[in-house]
Amino acid sequence: IQLTQSPSSLSASVGGSVTITCRASQGISNSLVWYQQRPGTAPKLLIYAASTLQSGVPSRFSGRGSGTDFSLIINSLQPEDFATYYCQQVHIYPRTFGQGTKLEIK
Amino acid sequence: EERLVESGGGLIQPGGSLRLSCAASGFTFSRFDMHWVRQGTGKGLEWIGAIGSVGDTYYAGSVRGRFTISRDNAKNSLYLQLKTLRAGDTAVYYCARELRQEYKYASYNFYGLDVWGQGTTVTVSS
Repeated sequence: IQLTQSPSSLSASVGGSVTITCRASQGISNSLVWYQQRPGTAPKLLIYAASTLQSGVPSRFSGRGSGTDFSLIINSLQPEDFATYYCQQVHIYPRTFGQGTKLEIK
Repeated sequence: EERLVESGGGLIQPGGSLRLSCAASGFTFSRFDMHWVRQGTGKGLEWIGAIGSVGDTYYAGSVRGRFTISRDNAKNSLYLQLKTLRAGDTAVYYCARELRQEYKYASYNFYGLDVWGQGTTVTVSS
């Protein structure tokens, strides 16, 4: 299963909102997770089952979607949110990641 | 604290072999499926493979036949044997634990990789 994220990069302002999309090449139900990765660190799990927030993740993060189309929404952007975001399908093996979306400060 | 610590990375010549280790602590290692993920410099995440709690293994096509994942539950350790290494295998290698929930006997919902190590760097170069 291939995952296509868009955009590959985007810029936004602190306090603003962004939406990142992830499209699967075939239906994966809600078996989609999102990670955040800051430079020089390991990825951090943000959302699983397409829309469930991992413990400790701020509520300004949300996810939606099912089947082939998914999105990650970040509201009220904070300085620490500027990072790279990846989706991953956990529906079948081999697991696959999207190519990533780099979120930069405008 | 739930923790994973990778080791074993280094500089290796093309065609060479290397074994990476991942030491787990703070959780019941034997109950979890474990994964390896790599990231080349400036590149995205690439899923390499996984091993189930009962020892079943799964691999990405790009590494199948060259890489082998194993585990020793008595030592709370995960391993990745890399063989016939190429320049394209140069990356930071992460081990990670998979979150899952059993909804009926031997059937699971998978919820992603919730605990990651800090990574170990493998450089393939002559």
